[in-house]
Amino acid sequence: GNSVTQMEGPVTLSEEAFLTINCTYTATGYPSLFWYVQYPGEGLQLLLKATKADDKGSNKGFEATYRKETTSFHLEKGSVQVSDSAVYFCAVWEKTGRRALTFGSGTRLQVQP
Amino acid sequence: DVKVTQSSRYLVKRTGEKVFLECVQDMDHENMFWYRQDPGLGLRLIYFSYDVKMKEKGDIPEGYSVSREKKERFSLILESASTNQTSMYLCASSPGGKAKNIQYFGAGTRLSVL
Repeated sequence: GNSVTQMEGPVTLSEEAFLTINCTYTATGYPSLFWYVQYPGEGLQLLLKATKADDKGSNKGFEATYRKETTSFHLEKGSVQVSDSAVYFCAVWEKTGRRALTFGSGTRLQVQP
Repeated sequence: DVKVTQSSRYLVKRTGEKVFLECVQDMDHENMFWYRQDPGLGLRLIYFSYDVKMKEKGDIPEGYSVSREKKERFSLILESASTNQTSMYLCASSPGGKAKNIQYFGAGTRLSVL
């Protein structure tokens, strides 16, 4: 089956620092890849996605590129803000087979002023 | 905006009780999902449903059942709650067709079993 591995947190950064959260996956075929974000006290919401190799998903200053050769989908942001403090989940969707997402364990980001 | 509503934010139940967690979505989505979220384990899929009265087991269905009698409502049932079912439970829904892989989540129900 599918699996997703994320870097362990928490990741603690100062405001305006550069962010990278690593994500690698295992899947058969050509899955779609996602980043979801969970702000304190809320459910998850979609942050960005990519559906094929070399696609770049982007939203709210965050970016991630679908790298099939390294089976990775690392999340990056050039300058984080305190309001970015949240838990970030990488997820994979196999286009055949089970019709559900497989999530990583989540990475907590804390941004200090 | 899509709204996924979970009936309770916090629940405290006793071991052996039958527990119902309710989830309602207002966007006529075909697919609905129940996950549990635990520290260090991320989200694990319990059950999902792709149509009324249809259900499929996820990765950790043991100790749980589900009901989907109406399209907008998906219930998670703990037949006899145990302390290892203390967790955050998240409901999600997604449309059919090409957007079926975009899931919309409720705010979660934090269940404590004493």
